[in-house]
Amino acid sequence: AQRVTQPEKLLSVFKGAPVELKCNYSYSGSPELFWYVQYSRQRLQLLLRHISRESIKGFTADLNKGETSFHLKKPFAQEEDSAMYYCALSDSGTYKYIFGTGTRLKVLA
Amino acid sequence: GAGVSQSPRYKVTKRGQDVALRCDPISGHVSLYWYRQALGQGPEFLTYFNYEAQQDKSGLPNDRFSAERPEGSISTLTIQRTEQRDSAMYRCASSPESSYNEQFFGPGTRLTVL
Repeated sequence: AQRVTQPEKLLSVFKGAPVELKCNYSYSGSPELFWYVQYSRQRLQLLLRHISRESIKGFTADLNKGETSFHLKKPFAQEEDSAMYYCALSDSGTYKYIFGTGTRLKVLA
Repeated sequence: GAGVSQSPRYKVTKRGQDVALRCDPISGHVSLYWYRQALGQGPEFLTYFNYEAQQDKSGLPNDRFSAERPEGSISTLTIQRTEQRDSAMYRCASSPESSYNEQFFGPGTRLTVL
């Protein structure tokens, strides 16, 4: 079954500390994976996707097919990173997203 | 340019009433997706259109839910005989084409069924 798992509902870190938001997936084909972010009172927006291999706002994510993971990382957290983060997998047939349950990141001063 | 818009932003209705939720995608976007998000959960797929054709409605929970996009632009998600369990955030997204392009999300409609 296709599934995206984000094991942490809440992650609190201090400003300047490294951040890692975990995402594991289950998918039979070749996955396309994304991270979306929702800042307070704003809509979901794309943070990054694995095919572009970009670094956005200091965040990176590497697809590890062996571990079926796509963890989101940032070396030094900033207070403005506080938000809800969703990992999503795109279905190869319809391109619909399968989302994880999300992780709330709180960056403490 | 204008992003995806949804209306109403908030809808409170009584059990048994019908509701219609509207999504206005980004101009020129071919694909349109509807998702439902319960509290504490991630968005879950409901249905998807390419132009005016409904390509996949496998996520619609039952036959009280329907969607249309008659002219390949604005879409309406209709819920008939609403029930309390239908209370959720309903999100619409559009994409330039059916591909691994980014989906652009609207602000969502918060539906509360009393």
